[in-house]
Amino acid sequence: GIQVEQSPPDLILQEGANSTLRCNFSDSVNNLQWFHQNPWGQLINLFYIPSGTKQNGRLSATTVATERYSLLYISSSQTTDSGVYFCASSNDYKLSFGAGTTVTVRA
Amino acid sequence: DAGVIQSPRHEVTEMGQEVTLRCKPISGHNSLFWYRQTMMRGLELLIYFNNNVPIDDSGMPEDRFSAKMPNASFSTLKIQPSEPRDSAVYFCASTPGGSYNEQFFGPGTRLTVL
Repeated sequence: GIQVEQSPPDLILQEGANSTLRCNFSDSVNNLQWFHQNPWGQLINLFYIPSGTKQNGRLSATTVATERYSLLYISSSQTTDSGVYFCASSNDYKLSFGAGTTVTVRA
Repeated sequence: DAGVIQSPRHEVTEMGQEVTLRCKPISGHNSLFWYRQTMMRGLELLIYFNNNVPIDDSGMPEDRFSAKMPNASFSTLKIQPSEPRDSAVYFCASTPGGSYNEQFFGPGTRLTVL
């Protein structure tokens, strides 16, 4: 399966700060998703982005498929952004997940 | 629209007991996945169904695990007998059309085997 590496593993932010999370994947993909796992354990879909750029409110994501990486941008972070952010990718049906980036936003 | 529904949300059982986890995919979705999340292994795919047929069960850890999808709106994951190392969060996900499409996850079932 595809190997997915996320960085950084941990991120501590002051409320209002901006940040960038990175996801590298080992092969060409036809599915790339970003998730936020909230403190209750739920996996919330953020983006389905096998290529290109998308924005949703304060969040945006870019995938450069030819260079095998994706970036998730969080702007004007809020305490509710805390949690674990997962990148997952596949070139068939099997989503391979990274180890996640744990984001802590302090008030 | 209702998302993926899983039940129970929490299950505590004793070693040796049978455990059945349930999933209702999003209506119209014809691909269903069961994943398991543990601290040691992260999120991993257990089994994938397409149009109610199991396509890939290579992630099922042992014969103690079995999964069924009797119809398009219901799937079960059964562990018999359960062991403490089965303690994990089990997620069900579904996707419409081809398996390359965006997968939507249920809230998960947190299983604790004592």
